[in-house]
Amino acid sequence: NAGVTQTPKFQVLKTGQSMTLQCAQDMNHEYMSWYRQDPGMGLRLIHYSVGAGITDQGEVPNGYNVSRSTTEDFPLRLLSAAPSQTSVYFCASSYFRGTEAFFGQGTRLTVV
Amino acid sequence: TQLLEQSPQFLSIQEGENLTVYCNSSSVFSSLQWYRQEPGEGPVLLVTVVTGGEVKKLKRLTFQFGDARKDSSLHITAAQPGDTGLYLCAARKNTGNQFYFGTGTSLTVIP
Repeated sequence: NAGVTQTPKFQVLKTGQSMTLQCAQDMNHEYMSWYRQDPGMGLRLIHYSVGAGITDQGEVPNGYNVSRSTTEDFPLRLLSAAPSQTSVYFCASSYFRGTEAFFGQGTRLTVV
Repeated sequence: TQLLEQSPQFLSIQEGENLTVYCNSSSVFSSLQWYRQEPGEGPVLLVTVVTGGEVKKLKRLTFQFGDARKDSSLHITAAQPGDTGLYLCAARKNTGNQFYFGTGTSLTVIP
C-alpha cells in the first residue's frame, strides 16, 4: 500500500506566488490534516477534515486554503506565498480523530 | 504558547544512560499519543495511552499518562544510538476534532 503520498517533496517559491501541495491516501481514512513543522515548534495544525466535503481551521490557518472533494485527496493551497511560510509541511490521515495518524514524507517549502 | 509543551527541547546523552521526556498541558485529554520522527520522514506512532495513570511498556520505553490526563512522560532505559530522533506527544481534547502535537524533544544518543 502507498499509504499517504505527498507531492512535491521540495519546492521553492517567490513571494506572492501561489501553489498547491498535493496529498492523497489510499487507506479510506475519514480524518485528514495538514501540519507545518518549524524548529522548536513541533507540528502545528493548519487545517483538517473529518470527511469529504467537510473542512475546518486548525491553529495556524491564515494564508492557506483546503478542500476535500473526495475521501482520498486533501490539497493545501498557498494563496500568496510569504517568507513566513517557509517550513516543512506534513499531511496526515487517520481512521478517525485521535487514532493512529499516518504521515506523508513531507514537503520542504522555501519562499524567497 | 502551544497546547502541549515538551521538555527538554534538546537532549544529548551517552549510550547506556537513562532519560525521561515530559509532555505537559493545562488541558484534559481523552487520549495521548507518542510519536518518533527521523530526519526526512514523517512521525511514526509509538504508543497510545487512554486511561489516567496508565503505564505502557514498549521494550526499553515506558510511557505514563498522568492521573488527571493532562500530562505524560516517556522514559527510555539504557538508551541506544537507534533511539536518536525527535519525540513528539500528540493529543485531542475531550471536545472538538482538532488533534494537537507537542513542541518536540530532539534526542541524540552518542555511541
